[in-house]
Amino acid sequence: DVKVTQSSRYLVKRTGEKVFLECVQDMDHENMFWYRQDPGLGLRLIYFSYDVKMKEKGDIPEGYSVSREKKERFSLILESASTNQTSMYLCASSPEGPTNEKLFFGSGTQLSVL
Amino acid sequence: QKEVEQDPGPLSVPEGAIVSLNCTYSNSAFQYFMWYRQYSRKGPELLMYTYSSGNKEDGRFTAQVDKSSKYISLFIRDSQPSDSATYLCAMSASRDKVIFGPGTSLSVIP
Repeated sequence: DVKVTQSSRYLVKRTGEKVFLECVQDMDHENMFWYRQDPGLGLRLIYFSYDVKMKEKGDIPEGYSVSREKKERFSLILESASTNQTSMYLCASSPEGPTNEKLFFGSGTQLSVL
Repeated sequence: QKEVEQDPGPLSVPEGAIVSLNCTYSNSAFQYFMWYRQYSRKGPELLMYTYSSGNKEDGRFTAQVDKSSKYISLFIRDSQPSDSATYLCAMSASRDKVIFGPGTSLSVIP
């Protein structure tokens, strides 16, 4: 059974802390994505990567960075957490191809920044 | 105007009803249209995928795309309590980022 695994289900952090969200996929997918999901706003793309050591900004990259040192692992970093980064964070992967329509999502990390 | 609009609901129907979920969009370049289902406290999972206009059927689910009206629909026949979830429409243009609607919350009452 194919899987995208996010390391934490729930996280509570303090304002100003550096936060690491880890994501691992076992499908040998080329493409990986980080989204945040907020009520009424849907999923918004933070960063994505089409290859190891490659990264591209999505729609809302401010306050975030990413790391992709290995094909299967894509990490999201909140450099200095703020309360407006309280959200559900979803990692996704997709196979190499002309489109990214077939996204496989992890179960999400609910992050609360106090 | 948002790129993709979707009525958030909540939508509540009796078991066995036909459900119609809809999205409108503004970008005429969109060619790939998807529906994702998201159960509570889970990530979205791909339910239906359609390229360009037309209909696609999979069991109790039918996806319709009308590009001339910039309107897509998902129909669920003989709805079941297990269909209770949030349904997200999504679309993209070629190898480009996927744009999601905010989702419609559906409850199917036994």
